[in-house]
Amino acid sequence: GQQLNQSPQSMFIQEGEDVSMNCTSSSIFNTWLWYKQDPGEGPVLLIALYKAGELTSNGRLTAQFGITRKDSFLNISASIPSDVGIYFCAGYVPGTASKLTFGTGTRLQVTL
Amino acid sequence: DADVTQTPRNRITKTGKRIMLECSQTKGHDRMYWYRQDPGLGLRLIYYSFDVKDINKGEISDGYSVSRQAQAKFSLSLESAIPNQTALYFCATSQGGSGDTQYFGPGTRLTVL
Repeated sequence: GQQLNQSPQSMFIQEGEDVSMNCTSSSIFNTWLWYKQDPGEGPVLLIALYKAGELTSNGRLTAQFGITRKDSFLNISASIPSDVGIYFCAGYVPGTASKLTFGTGTRLQVTL
Repeated sequence: DADVTQTPRNRITKTGKRIMLECSQTKGHDRMYWYRQDPGLGLRLIYYSFDVKDINKGEISDGYSVSRQAQAKFSLSLESAIPNQTALYFCATSQGGSGDTQYFGPGTRLTVL
């Protein structure tokens, strides 16, 4: 099936640093979603992107829908310990009737 | 109260046993989904339902079945569990329409011995 390549797979950063992660696909997507999953919990939606070039913020988080429609980026500014978790990108390929495709996740660990 | 609930949260069972995982939602959404999560593989779609009379196979439906008992309830069954079905299972719901956003339950951790 369709694969989303998410990088990096894991990150170990210090509190206060900025974080960047991205997601790429070989197919065009018409929606990009970014989720965060805490240990023992289900994914929680962070940001939704609906148009190529769209840049959307949610507090310290900023995400962009790539111009080619084949990629998306998530940035976290001034990281804090509660940012720890796994971040997933997900998207809809046009014509796939609400079937989300997920990336493999970026595990973020933040040290004091 | 949580909008999407799953029961049980944890289950240990033996090979060959029949298992049912249940999902309920209070969001009033028509669409419901079952996913499986394995380490390093992200979430993969097992089955999805766009309304009570609509059931569709996802990417990895073999070995699983589902039942949509009502708009708010969607259950996943493993008729004869096997060890490689050990995983985290998530239910999700969505309203439908362009740019549909899915909301996830807390998950069920299933171990098949």
